[in-house]
Amino acid sequence: DTAVSQTPKYLVTQMGNDKSIKCEQNLGHDTMYWYKQDSKKFLKIMFSYNNKELIINETVPNRFSPKSPDKAHLNLHINSLELGDSAVYFCASSPGPNSNQPQHFGDGTRLSIL
Amino acid sequence: GNSVTQMEGPVTLSEEAFLTINCTYTATGYPSLFWYVQYPGEGLQLLLKATKADDKGSNKGFEATYRKETTSFHLEKGSVQVSDSAVYFCALTDAGGTSYGKLTFGQGTILTVHP
Repeated sequence: DTAVSQTPKYLVTQMGNDKSIKCEQNLGHDTMYWYKQDSKKFLKIMFSYNNKELIINETVPNRFSPKSPDKAHLNLHINSLELGDSAVYFCASSPGPNSNQPQHFGDGTRLSIL
Repeated sequence: GNSVTQMEGPVTLSEEAFLTINCTYTATGYPSLFWYVQYPGEGLQLLLKATKADDKGSNKGFEATYRKETTSFHLEKGSVQVSDSAVYFCALTDAGGTSYGKLTFGQGTILTVHP
């Protein structure tokens, strides 16, 4: 059983379009995260939700809007896509916001902007 | 703020060679430390962890010891295999406060093992 699943795995689209990436976890965790991995493999936190509430919002352009309909889902919507948005986006979950337990990651969504 | 510094890669080794990937960190609190591994085309998998000073994490022949005095968490393996070829990330989370458990990653080290 997949613990953290993201869809789609690949997303190729043109500049200016709007797209969404979905994430679901079946681990019963309260906290979910979005990370961005750039072309040099560097990973950086973008957002985090705990029980449907936003708790981390790093300096991300407001074209990026996360939405958490319930604690098992955290989706990422991106408006007016730009070339610099090309990256791999990873969703992750953990038991709680102050847990020292490891986060579980999805397989990533590779976003390519033409 | 928190930060993690890993040794520059890429690292290329022959099978059965000894591996060390250095990792040092800066944190304001008492972080938990992790090594994650990313195989080609896949997501991140936890390799090992340590949650307090002098803890040793180990898994699949890999080891790392949480050294508070040197703020380090170096990854070691005595005999690498071709299947160990991957990108390795050192990371920390500072439970509590306003960090909310977010992971701060090092820049990643690409390891290639040749037969």
